[in-house]
Amino acid sequence: KNEVEQSPQNLTAQEGEFITINCSYSVGISALHWLQQHPGGGIVSLFMLSSGKKKHGRLIATINIQEKHSSLHITASHPRDSAVYICAVSPLTGTASKLTFGTGTRLQVTL
Amino acid sequence: DAGITQSPRHKVTETGTPVTLRCHQTENHRYMYWYRQDPGHGLRLIHYSYGVKDTDKGEVSDGYSVSRSKTEDFLLTLESATSSQTSVYFCAISEGGPYNSPLHFGNGTRLTVT
Repeated sequence: KNEVEQSPQNLTAQEGEFITINCSYSVGISALHWLQQHPGGGIVSLFMLSSGKKKHGRLIATINIQEKHSSLHITASHPRDSAVYICAVSPLTGTASKLTFGTGTRLQVTL
Repeated sequence: DAGITQSPRHKVTETGTPVTLRCHQTENHRYMYWYRQDPGHGLRLIHYSYGVKDTDKGEVSDGYSVSRSKTEDFLLTLESATSSQTSVYFCAISEGGPYNSPLHFGNGTRLTVT
């Protein structure tokens, strides 16, 4: 069982919809990362957080350390948001330099 | 954008041949990583470096070796390529470890072993 589980695996939304992608993990962590990968491959770091909430433009990331859960929200979604969103955690135990990745949530936003 | 260059971007090679992928950074970041990405597996760490000549294994290091003789360059070598090493390889860098620093990724190298 993967230590990092994302849901849903696939998501289709219409332009303008509010989108939520979830990430649950099973170990104690020092940080959680959200990444975006567009078709064609490039990977971009969206957020790194260890508590609370961060906002950048239409993107909001939250984390609940006690519940071992994080959410990525996209407000007023747009077709350019179509991408795979990947959650990754830096565990407290073991080597903290080794991130554990989820398998991603594929988002398609249609007109 | 962080200055990370991977080369080559695409490579086709035959089973049993050696292959070296290069990652070059202009950010002077301490940490560098090599990941592979395969359908259904997500990103998996092959090796990483936390300084010049300081490297450690990741979860899928068998069949791979790395070298970092300069801050800016991190080389990944497949000593004898196998078909199971067909994948997309990503280099990433971070100023500190991923416990306190975001990662910046290169554009990837698509390797096909025939």
